[in-house]
Amino acid sequence: EAGVVQSPRYKIIEKKQPVAFWCNPISGHNTLYWYRQNLGQGPELLIRYENEEAVDDSQLPKDRFSAERLKGVDSTLKIQPAELGDSAVYLCASSLGPGFGTSLTRTGELFFGEGSRLTVL
Amino acid sequence: GESVGLHLPTLSVQEGDNSIINCAYSNSASDYFIWYKQESGKGPQFIIDIRSNMDKRQGQRVTVLLNKTVKHLSLQIAATQPGDSAVYFCAEFMEYGNKLVFGAGTILRVKS
Repeated sequence: EAGVVQSPRYKIIEKKQPVAFWCNPISGHNTLYWYRQNLGQGPELLIRYENEEAVDDSQLPKDRFSAERLKGVDSTLKIQPAELGDSAVYLCASSLGPGFGTSLTRTGELFFGEGSRLTVL
Repeated sequence: GESVGLHLPTLSVQEGDNSIINCAYSNSASDYFIWYKQESGKGPQFIIDIRSNMDKRQGQRVTVLLNKTVKHLSLQIAATQPGDSAVYFCAEFMEYGNKLVFGAGTILRVKS
């Protein structure tokens, strides 16, 4: 079974340009996450979807970042315009459901994609 | 969250030795903890988890210890192998907000 698929793997743009990242979660996973990982740090949540609904976007810089998950399957994350400080790895993750369920089902276990590395010049 | 910039703590061990990676978590209300392994150019990968009603949990070659009194988590890797070289992150699940929060990572380097 395929894991979480992200594209592009690498993107280099000049500041003020737009950029978009795409994520296809594991089939059947209702919960989708976008994380940002700065160099040398742990991932930080940007937005979480339950099906097509964004249930937690409190950490998403809404002035320049937007995301969508039409039809509750794949998702795109857009930055417009990009700034130098946006250089990071953007990770997508998916899970069967929210939370971390019971120790037997562990429905909330996150499966991460390989990430999209963004460099803003 | 806390930031250590580019200077992640590094643990260097000899192949075959045991490794212990430590983590301090922030929220005493967190009730679920996970260790992730992240290899270069890849996303984090689940290793082992533990709930707050447990002190210890063992997996294959890995053991997680939880000390709620001092809000400390550790990951022990037995007979460390070159393939264990990676950055290791602990993460705490906060019921409030239904959010998984990652800590700063530790680089593990295994010398052959």
